[in-house]
Amino acid sequence: QKEVEQNSGPLSVPEGAIASLNCTYSDRGSQSFFWYRQYSGKSPELIMSIYSNGDKEDGRFTAQLNKASQYVSLLIRDSQPSDSATYLCAVNMRNYGQNFVFGPGTRLSVLP
Amino acid sequence: SAVISQKPSRDICQRGTSLTIQCQVDSQVTMMFWYRQQPGQSLTLIATANQGSEATYESGFVIDKFPISRPNLTFSTLTVSNMSPEDSSIYLCSVDNRGNTEAFFGQGTRLTVV
Repeated sequence: QKEVEQNSGPLSVPEGAIASLNCTYSDRGSQSFFWYRQYSGKSPELIMSIYSNGDKEDGRFTAQLNKASQYVSLLIRDSQPSDSATYLCAVNMRNYGQNFVFGPGTRLSVLP
Repeated sequence: SAVISQKPSRDICQRGTSLTIQCQVDSQVTMMFWYRQQPGQSLTLIATANQGSEATYESGFVIDKFPISRPNLTFSTLTVSNMSPEDSSIYLCSVDNRGNTEAFFGQGTRLTVV
């Protein structure tokens, strides 16, 4: 059974704080990892992808991958109320094409 | 990234009827994907649609219930057949980024079956 786990939340942080979102996955053969943001009633929007161990930074977002521990995380610095959304962790278990397994999502609420 | 247009954006349907959802991409793509997102749940892959061959369905999904067409490299349809209230979900079309494995989604179709 290929699984992706996330805390469902809600995770509440004050505006300007760092939000930390975590994800673990069961399949050691997983090759690529993604974070999507989904606002209520909207489709998922890709915000970060990461393929190798370590950190990847893009603006206020940092993705961290540790394949040995089978976890991937997303840090959001200087959180804004507009960051309030559900964050979906997705793991692609094939080298080409999609065999995405999505986590249940973590609902983030940034309080003004 | 590709621009993906999906329609209808929402519909309310009677049980026992069928609905066909269309997905149009602004560039040629090898594979298109259909997902379902049930209320309060995450995304589940229904099937992969390849041009020129039958769609590949994931466990728990069958062609009779979710027939898929892929007539060319920019278009696909998903039909939800003989609908029941349990089919009420958001249905999402997706394509990948030319082999880079990143997935991009259409705006989704919110289906309510009454």
